[in-house]
Amino acid sequence: GAVVSQHPSRVICKSGTSVKIECRSLDFQATTMFWYRQFPKQSLMLMATSNEGSKATYEQGVEKDKFLINHASLTLSTLTVTSAHPEDSSFYICSARDKAGENSPLHFGNGTRLTVT
Amino acid sequence: AQKITQTQPGMFVQEKEAVTLDCTYDTSDQSYGLFWYKQPSSGEMIFLIYQGSYDEQNATEGRYSLNFQKARKSANLVISASQLGDSAMYFCAMREGINYGQNFVFGPGTRLSVLP
Repeated sequence: GAVVSQHPSRVICKSGTSVKIECRSLDFQATTMFWYRQFPKQSLMLMATSNEGSKATYEQGVEKDKFLINHASLTLSTLTVTSAHPEDSSFYICSARDKAGENSPLHFGNGTRLTVT
Repeated sequence: AQKITQTQPGMFVQEKEAVTLDCTYDTSDQSYGLFWYKQPSSGEMIFLIYQGSYDEQNATEGRYSLNFQKARKSANLVISASQLGDSAMYFCAMREGINYGQNFVFGPGTRLSVLP
């Protein structure tokens, strides 16, 4: 149980175009999902917290107009990279918890490797 | 200030031997959770083991165990009988508080290489 599906796993796009990444909780409902960005050989950097039915909370330094997050249902959050540029090339990964409780871990999607040419 | 510190950027271990990956944390919360994740080269994040701040016993999950020293604020991961498939990045993470929507803070990671 507690599966998070992320799509696409890999995408190549041209500079100036937009890319949408989907994150779905397959067997649980997630009122909160987290979006991370990971540069090569580095740790996960939280970009934003996605809340179902309300605006996402962005971390300092993350452009909300560039990284649009929509959490329209209890099982789906999307991250749209608008007007992508080569510096947006990175590994993006989403996560969610299937329940509250101290021992409940974050469950991660398999990530999306974005390359902007 | 770094909330999670992993001082070993890279570690090598011989196959079948045990290895300890260090993690120290910083929090003023009384209730928190510590988690270890494995990230193979394919990129997915695999949850390994959890230790709660109030747990009196060290957590164990198969070949993984956690050496939890609360007073020293350390939560080291011990992998016994290393296998080639254990080669990966390992991240220590902390969740402060118990709220469902609370984010986890990740350490910089340790790259483990298991040698045949």
